[in-house]
Amino acid sequence: DAGITQSPRHKVTETGTPVTLRCHQTENHRYMYWYRQDPGHGLRLIHYSYGVKDTDKGEVSDGYSVSRSKTEDFLLTLESATSSQTSVYFCAMTSGSMAYNEQFFGPGTRLTVL
Amino acid sequence: AQSVAQPEDQVNVAEGNPLTVKCTYSVSGNPYLFWYVQYPNRGLQFLLKYITGDNLVKGSYGFEAEFNKSQTSFHLKKPSALVSDSALYFCAVSSLTGGGNKLTFGTGTQLKVEL
Repeated sequence: DAGITQSPRHKVTETGTPVTLRCHQTENHRYMYWYRQDPGHGLRLIHYSYGVKDTDKGEVSDGYSVSRSKTEDFLLTLESATSSQTSVYFCAMTSGSMAYNEQFFGPGTRLTVL
Repeated sequence: AQSVAQPEDQVNVAEGNPLTVKCTYSVSGNPYLFWYVQYPNRGLQFLLKYITGDNLVKGSYGFEAEFNKSQTSFHLKKPSALVSDSALYFCAVSSLTGGGNKLTFGTGTQLKVEL
C-alpha cells in the first residue's frame, strides 16, 4: 500500500446522496484506476485515467464519474448512491502504459449504501 | 475480449504440503499474466507476472507460477504451504489487444492452509 492512500476508509451513506471517494498517490505515476470488489465478481474496472484530465470508462462505469485535476489525485463520485453500489472500492496506479506493468493497489474503501 | 477463470472458489491444504491455485485465461493476442494476493481488510499485493520467456516464473514469498500456452493456463504453486499463506488469490490478464494496461481479474480463490 506504500505510496497510495484512499479516503475515507469506511463510509455509510443513504440512497440518493452523492458520495466522493479520494485516491492519492505520491509516486507521480501517470496511470490510475478505480475498481470495485464484490463477492463472486472479483475486481471490476470502473474508470481509469491516463493523465491529468484524461479519463475513460471501464467495465462497470454506469452511475460513476471521475475527475483528475492533479497527477496525485483521482476522485470517484457516485452522483446518487444506490444500494447496488455497496461494495469495496480500490484505487490502483501503474508507472507505465505497457500491458505488462503491474498495478499497485490502495487499502480500499468500504462503502455501504442504506 | 479478455477473460480469466479461477475454477475453485476455495482450496484447502495442510501446512507443509504443496499447493496449486488454478487459473485459465482467454485473450486474442499475447497474454501478460499476473497473480495478486489479498489479506483480510487489505488491498491487493502483487506476487508475480509472466511477460515472455521462461514458462516458470518465480515471485514473492516462495510462490511460482507456470505458464502453459497450449492449455491457456497460469497456475500458482508453492512447494510447501504455510498457515500464513491463507488469503484470497487473484489471477489477472492484460494484453495489447485488450486495451493496453487494463487488467481483467478472475473471481478469486480463497486459500486456507491448516495445521
